[in-house]
Amino acid sequence: AQSVSQHNHHVILSEAASLELGCNYSYGGTVNLFWYVQYPGQHLQLLLKYFSGDPLVKGIKGFEAEFIKSKFSFNLRKPSVQWSDTAEYFCAVNKPNFGNEKLTFGTGTRLTIIP
Amino acid sequence: NAGVTQTPKFRILKIGQSMTLQCTQDMNHNYMYWYRQDPGMGLKLIYYSVGAGITDKGEVPNGYNVSRSTTEDFPLRLELAAPSQTSVYFCASSYSGVSGANVLTFGAGSRLTVL
Repeated sequence: AQSVSQHNHHVILSEAASLELGCNYSYGGTVNLFWYVQYPGQHLQLLLKYFSGDPLVKGIKGFEAEFIKSKFSFNLRKPSVQWSDTAEYFCAVNKPNFGNEKLTFGTGTRLTIIP
Repeated sequence: NAGVTQTPKFRILKIGQSMTLQCTQDMNHNYMYWYRQDPGMGLKLIYYSVGAGITDKGEVPNGYNVSRSTTEDFPLRLELAAPSQTSVYFCASSYSGVSGANVLTFGAGSRLTVL
């Protein structure tokens, strides 16, 4: 079965620390990759996405992610986190197939930033 | 522009009761989705629709039903509520004119408790 794995369930960092959240998927072939974020009390919103082209994708709020096809990975990074980055982060994947656009989400990583 | 609107935001049901979670979007998106979010489990797709009159099952459809009579509305019905359906439900929509353009807009969520 197709799956998306986020191995870090809860990450705690101090402000200004660097962040890397792991995401691995089990699909073969062409994929679309996403990171969504859910801030406390808010609904999910798109952080960044990769469809094709440059495997290093830049998103909002200083986040970036790198698609490494050989490793089936799409890790999320930020060089210096802020307290406002406290949120739950979800990696998601779909296989482009017109009429079957379903996203599969990972289990999420809760990020807590300590001031 | 309201985006995706879900009602109610909170609801407590007794075992065996039925209810409908409403979802409306005003972005003329053709695709709509229902997900449930459980702690540590990420988001699981319940049902989705690629257009009015067309619905299909996701990963966890048992105990739920949907309909899509208009482009705007995608209600989720629970016929016989069970404690296992205690969860936060998210409706989402997207426009995907061509394969790979799928980016979801989420509603604020509906927290359902079944006692």
